[in-house]
Amino acid sequence: AQKVTQAQTEISVVEKEDVTLDCVYETRDTTYYLFWYKQPPSGELVFLIRRNSFDEQNEISGRYSWNFQKSTSSFNFTITASQVVDSAVYFCALSENILTGGGNKLTFGTGTQLKVEL
Amino acid sequence: DAGVTQSPTHLIKTRGQQVTLRCSPKSGHDTVSWYQQALGQGPQFIFQYYEEEERQRGNFPDRFSGHQFPNYSSELNVNALLLGDSALYLCASSTGLADEQYFGPGTRLTVT
Repeated sequence: AQKVTQAQTEISVVEKEDVTLDCVYETRDTTYYLFWYKQPPSGELVFLIRRNSFDEQNEISGRYSWNFQKSTSSFNFTITASQVVDSAVYFCALSENILTGGGNKLTFGTGTQLKVEL
Repeated sequence: DAGVTQSPTHLIKTRGQQVTLRCSPKSGHDTVSWYQQALGQGPQFIFQYYEEEERQRGNFPDRFSGHQFPNYSSELNVNALLLGDSALYLCASSTGLADEQYFGPGTRLTVT
């Protein structure tokens, strides 16, 4: 069965520090998607990125970057020069069976609470 | 462009009662999924609707049921409420069964 592990429960950094959030996943499928979502105190999950299992290229979007390594089943997320507005809970998620058309159920990790202080 | 909307925002019910939560998908989306998020936990998948049919279901009892209407909006019904059903219920929509999901603000359900 699929599983997503976010071992870091809470991380505190000072503004402008870089921070990396870890995500390790388990799946028996060879084709799958990985996601990161941000959940601010308001509660709404905000989509950040989707990566498919065929593409191991790292991606950068502004201050955000993602490192996908199939060899270690990891999909880590780095925020460069963190800001107070980055404070939120961040979830990593996995979706299997992406080629079967059977649905795109998401399996989430338990989340990492990021606190960025001045 | 309206995003995913959910109603009500908050709800308080008593054990044993029944509740109905509503979701309108993002414009252009035809698939709706429901998730339950207990305090301090990640969201747990309840079920997914596409073309008015339940396409996938998570490990939730039959007390949890749903419906999708022709306009793609959806309802989540929970019968015989238990204290453990207290959670944030999130609705997500997508285009078809493979696209990324966009989430609504959630309904906070408290069972007393």
